[in-house]
Amino acid sequence: GAGVSQSPSNKVTEKGKDVELRCDPISGHTALYWYRQSLGQGLEFLIYFQGNSAPDKSGLPSDRFSAERTGGSVSTLTIQRTQQEDSAVYLCASSFTGYRDNEQFFGPGTRLTVL
Amino acid sequence: ELKVEQNPLFLSMQEGKNYTIYCNYSTTSDRLYWYRQDPGKSLESLFVLLSNGAVKQEGRLMASLDTKARLSTLHITAAVHDLSATYFCAADRGSTLGRLYFGRGTQLTVWP
Repeated sequence: GAGVSQSPSNKVTEKGKDVELRCDPISGHTALYWYRQSLGQGLEFLIYFQGNSAPDKSGLPSDRFSAERTGGSVSTLTIQRTQQEDSAVYLCASSFTGYRDNEQFFGPGTRLTVL
Repeated sequence: ELKVEQNPLFLSMQEGKNYTIYCNYSTTSDRLYWYRQDPGKSLESLFVLLSNGAVKQEGRLMASLDTKARLSTLHITAAVHDLSATYFCAADRGSTLGRLYFGRGTQLTVWP
């Protein structure tokens, strides 16, 4: 079946511009997560959605970062006034909350480069 | 905050050899996850370990969980080049929801 999809796969932007990253979770998965991965920083949690609400947004690094989820499906991560330190691979994951575990399935990621 | 520590961070091994990657975590979570990441790719789920003493095997990889020691291991048997990748372990807080806490990853290189 279809996995988690993300778009765009690559995004190059200039410092100060806003960007939007999109995530389509696996159909039926109610939980959605955003992480980012940068060299030397490992995997960093950003925010998690259960349905359309975000019980945990503790990982958002600044108020320039925001995310929303609509219809319990697609999510958009928005970064305003991008900075060079925002350059990273942004990974989206989803999971089905009816199981015993919290196995998360990851999308291919969006590589963001801020010049 | 839940801490997850992996070692070694870098592992270079010859084909045919055996080795173990260790993953320690700091809370009483009973669940541990192993992922694989190939260069330039996303994370692929390998194993989900749900209880003390859990052992899972897939090909040349075997993962185990000791919740009393807060330790999981990923054992590689008779390594082959195709196993070259970065391996991450992750833990959660024991709920069916919420973020995963990842280790820094072990970069494995298998050479002939």
